[in-house]
Amino acid sequence: DVKVTQSSRYLVKRTGEKVFLECVQDMDHENMFWYRQDPGLGLRLIYFSYDVKMKEKGDIPEGYSVSREKKERFSLILESASTNQTSMYLCASSLIGGNEAFFGQGTRLTVV
Amino acid sequence: GENVEQHPSTLSVQEGDSAVIKCTYSDSASNYFPWYKQELGKRPQLIIDIRSNVGEKKDQRIAVTLNKTAKHFSLHITETQPEDSAVYFCAANSGGSNYKLTFGKGTLLTVNP
Repeated sequence: DVKVTQSSRYLVKRTGEKVFLECVQDMDHENMFWYRQDPGLGLRLIYFSYDVKMKEKGDIPEGYSVSREKKERFSLILESASTNQTSMYLCASSLIGGNEAFFGQGTRLTVV
Repeated sequence: GENVEQHPSTLSVQEGDSAVIKCTYSDSASNYFPWYKQELGKRPQLIIDIRSNVGEKKDQRIAVTLNKTAKHFSLHITETQPEDSAVYFCAANSGGSNYKLTFGKGTLLTVNP
């Protein structure tokens, strides 16, 4: 059974803080993704990675960065959190070449 | 980049009726089209997917059709049940190695008993 685990279910951070969201997968998947989910806007891709140390911008990368130092771990970084980054963040992983993406349970981030 | 449009945004049906959700995509190189179901408070989970070399795929009460020429694909749920109530997302892959998944905005399906 594929497991994608996000480090926190709920987070509350202050404006201007640096925030780290961690994601770990245990199925040796090459691809990992960070999505943001907001009501009425669906799942929007922030960043994705197809290999260790490789990353590409998604559709809404502004204000975010990522790190993939190990194959199983993909981190999303908010350099200076702002209130408009309050959202549900979903991590996912998949095999290379277009295959099913498995999602983590999500992190609901509130920036106050 | 890839653009995926999904309609309708909300859909309400009576138990036992059929439900159809439609998506269009823009990247002619896309070759993988999954559908995800997300129940309230839970993570999205794959319910069915189709690749570009087939036009239709069925799994019990769920079917997906793909028209590559028109760049659209649809989800069909027959004999709907209250437990089918959820948000459904379509997606299409793209990118140099087709590893990037772009999602539609979602359809909230409500099945009324």
